[in-house]
Amino acid sequence: GIQVEQSPPDLILQEGANSTLRCNFSDSVNNLQWFHQNPWGQLINLFYIPSGTKQNGRLSATTVATERYSLLYISSSQTTDSGVYFCAVLAGTALIFGKGTTLSVSS
Amino acid sequence: EAQVTQNPRYLITVTGKKLTVTCSQNMNHEYMSWYRQDPGLGLRQIYYSMNVEVTDKGDVPEGYKVSRKEKRNFPLILESPSPNQTSLYFCASSPQPSYEQYFGPGTRLTVT
Repeated sequence: GIQVEQSPPDLILQEGANSTLRCNFSDSVNNLQWFHQNPWGQLINLFYIPSGTKQNGRLSATTVATERYSLLYISSSQTTDSGVYFCAVLAGTALIFGKGTTLSVSS
Repeated sequence: EAQVTQNPRYLITVTGKKLTVTCSQNMNHEYMSWYRQDPGLGLRQIYYSMNVEVTDKGDVPEGYKVSRKEKRNFPLILESPSPNQTSLYFCASSPQPSYEQYFGPGTRLTVT
């Protein structure tokens, strides 16, 4: 089945720093989403981005479907950005999630 | 407000006591699904439904049942819960699987 790999697994930042999270997938996809799992366990939709580039405030994402990867950029990080970031791609009728990147932002 | 709701949010129960976790969406979505999240195993699909009265197994269906009698509701039923079903459960919905999927807030279940 399709494989989804995220890097880095862990990231520690000072408030105000920028970061790039990467998601590699092993097959062509027609649904790719980025989520933030907050400390309360909730999955927050960040981007639905099967291809192209999108921006939402301090966050932006780019998916290059032909090269099978997606990037999530976080600029001017804040402590509230802490949590786990998941990339998920559709395989059949199920989203396949990567293992996530755990981000810790300290003030 | 467009949303997916789940109840209860937290539940501690005992082995063998039947329980139902409800899921409801107000977006008129055709597709709904259930996932469980476990440390080291990530999120895995339990069951999904493409439309009313149409359900099918996901990757880890053992020990679970679902029903889809109305478009908005997709309850997850544990007929005889066991400790290995202790997990964080999420319900999701979308117009179709390939569209953006929206997740409920999660239900943290502990079976003792």
